[in-house]
Amino acid sequence: QSVLTQPPSASGTPGQRVTISCSGSSSNIGSNTVNWYQQLPGTAPKLLIHSNDQRPSGVPDRFSGSKSRTSASLAINGLQSEDEADYYCAAWDDRLNGGVFGGGTKLTVL
Amino acid sequence: EVQLVESGGGLVQPGGSLRLSCVATGFTFSSYAMSWVRQAPGKGLEWVSVISGGGASTYYADAVKGRFTISRDNSKNTLFLQMNSLRAEDTAVYYCAKGRVAVGSTMSLDYWGQGTLVTVSS
Repeated sequence: QSVLTQPPSASGTPGQRVTISCSGSSSNIGSNTVNWYQQLPGTAPKLLIHSNDQRPSGVPDRFSGSKSRTSASLAINGLQSEDEADYYCAAWDDRLNGGVFGGGTKLTVL
Repeated sequence: EVQLVESGGGLVQPGGSLRLSCVATGFTFSSYAMSWVRQAPGKGLEWVSVISGGGASTYYADAVKGRFTISRDNSKNTLFLQMNSLRAEDTAVYYCAKGRVAVGSTMSLDYWGQGTLVTVSS
């Protein structure tokens, strides 16, 4: 049982907009920034969004992040086949005094 | 170019020990926090530990507290994870990852190594 809750799966067709949610609590998302990672099959995770809504250099602007109180969302516009991957949210937890990940969402491009 | 290269994984018996290393290049190592994150076969990511840039602050997941020790040698640009009293549930790919900032309390990890597999089995 992960501290941050994500839907286990999501799907969409090419060109669609897909959103992935991440629900936490006051001790993690409610008081710290949210980060999102993309993990393509067989590879290491890649930072997709940091500080709730900031894209690192090289990440397409099709990817965006948002946060509201104790929840966060990752949106992917103009879905592409290469977006098929696992997506994880992550935040620091002040109560646990450690980092926490969501359980991950497997995105399928139909 | 930032590169993180882990080593030290392998097969170990329950109760045994392993020391993982992660050599970093391409950035000022001492200026950034460094983390270990693991992923059991077919499972999600699990945060393990983090150490601040200067090494003064360390944090651990409850699952490894008291058994694992994170450390760093800034003169050699190397991160370590000493793992003792290993259990079957510690079996995973262990990734080292660079923080975007120096402070330890961060989950913003902008570069990751390729991972090293640790298998705990008799």
